[in-house]
Amino acid sequence: DAMVIQNPRYQVTQFGKPVTLSCSQTLNHNVMYWYQQKSSQAPKLLFHYYDKDFNNEADTPDNFQSRRPNTSFCFLDIRSPGLGDAAMYLCATSRGSREQETQYFGPGTRLLVL
Amino acid sequence: AQSVTQLDSHVSVSEGTPVLLRCNYSSSYSPSLFWYVQHPNKGLQLLLKYTSAATLVKGINGFEAEFKKSETSFHLTKPSAHMSDAAEYFCVVSDPGSGGYQKVTFGTGTKLQVIP
Repeated sequence: DAMVIQNPRYQVTQFGKPVTLSCSQTLNHNVMYWYQQKSSQAPKLLFHYYDKDFNNEADTPDNFQSRRPNTSFCFLDIRSPGLGDAAMYLCATSRGSREQETQYFGPGTRLLVL
Repeated sequence: AQSVTQLDSHVSVSEGTPVLLRCNYSSSYSPSLFWYVQHPNKGLQLLLKYTSAATLVKGINGFEAEFKKSETSFHLTKPSAHMSDAAEYFCVVSDPGSGGYQKVTFGTGTKLQVIP
């Protein structure tokens, strides 16, 4: 089945130690998104790629970076995780960028910062 | 400006009784509207979406929603709740954004509890 895959499902890191979260998709979608979701809150968009075109949300901290080496894969890098970065990180994809496009979500990676 | 208000943070129903989750939106455009469901420690799954076609939208698992422009509402309903419906539900509005990219706003979510 075509899908969005996130690895690992759970990630534990230490305060200040860089960490990378991975997302892959078999849907061949043009757009890939990264969201941060804290406990009992709505997902918050960090950034997205339309093909190789990177789009950062204005309030996304510089501590968060992303790479998309090819259509299928997208990575979220947290350069120096703080305790406040503990959250669920959701990857999503959509075929296009128009307002009626459905976003398809992966299962998420839960990040714990010690 | 674009916004979504989910009027209830928690809803509790008995198994077999109807479900109503309320959502009101604000948009400068004719928006697209979505309902997603999220089970604990899982990603979001699309239940249904409205994109300016029929105002009554049927989704998966027996859910449906009606787009009412005059009331700026998109409430989610199900005739009979099942235990497996216990989850968090997000209403989402999508408008044209800058640079040709969709601008998506999530509601704050409604947690549905189903009592046996």
